[in-house]
Amino acid sequence: GAGVSQSPSNKVTEKGKDVELRCDPISGHTALYWYRQSLGQGLEFLIYFQGNSAPDKSGLPSDRFSAERTGGSVSTLTIQRTQQEDSAVYLCASRRYMVTEAFFGQGTRLTVV
Amino acid sequence: GIQVEQSPPDLILQEGANSTLRCNFSDSVNNLQWFHQNPWGQLINLFYIPSGTKQNGRLSATTVATERYSLLYISSSQTTDSGVYFCAVLTQGGSEKLVFGKGTKLTVNP
Repeated sequence: GAGVSQSPSNKVTEKGKDVELRCDPISGHTALYWYRQSLGQGLEFLIYFQGNSAPDKSGLPSDRFSAERTGGSVSTLTIQRTQQEDSAVYLCASRRYMVTEAFFGQGTRLTVV
Repeated sequence: GIQVEQSPPDLILQEGANSTLRCNFSDSVNNLQWFHQNPWGQLINLFYIPSGTKQNGRLSATTVATERYSLLYISSSQTTDSGVYFCAVLTQGGSEKLVFGKGTKLTVNP
């Protein structure tokens, strides 16, 4: 596709359940980011992947959060045992290596009830 | 780490007015982006502007990297310009994170 694609667009889950969020970056983009935006707040960095390098996980808020990137392309963000404070919009971005303009997907709105 | 500050935090305009949004950053960078977050939450790329001036229709941006700031100008504002405007810089050396300011929330009234 032409842009960064995220799925699902919306997810409602019960507290304590696990969820998986998917990001399909722009073809050829080796850098991939996950950010979180709580209601009315700014963007919080979660994790950064660059090619085959070890990811920068320094923004993950707890060990309930994990992410992987398979084959240097699609990424999955997993949240285990969801809590109400996990409710937020999760945004994914990608960019080419050595080119610093990043492009964002439309986000996944997660609601934990 | 690098700090990014945006001002003003909130701005209310009448349709047709002009405005200037500011982004200050604490360290030297060779990259800066401006985004518009629309009411549906999507981040739309406005400008990639490490330095100099660019214009796109009613919007223009200027970055003075040596003085660590960037300005976004909106002329003849329209209600569709409403939303939150973010600037972001890429950290360098090691992990290349995008660091965002807290945004300027713009409301354009008809």
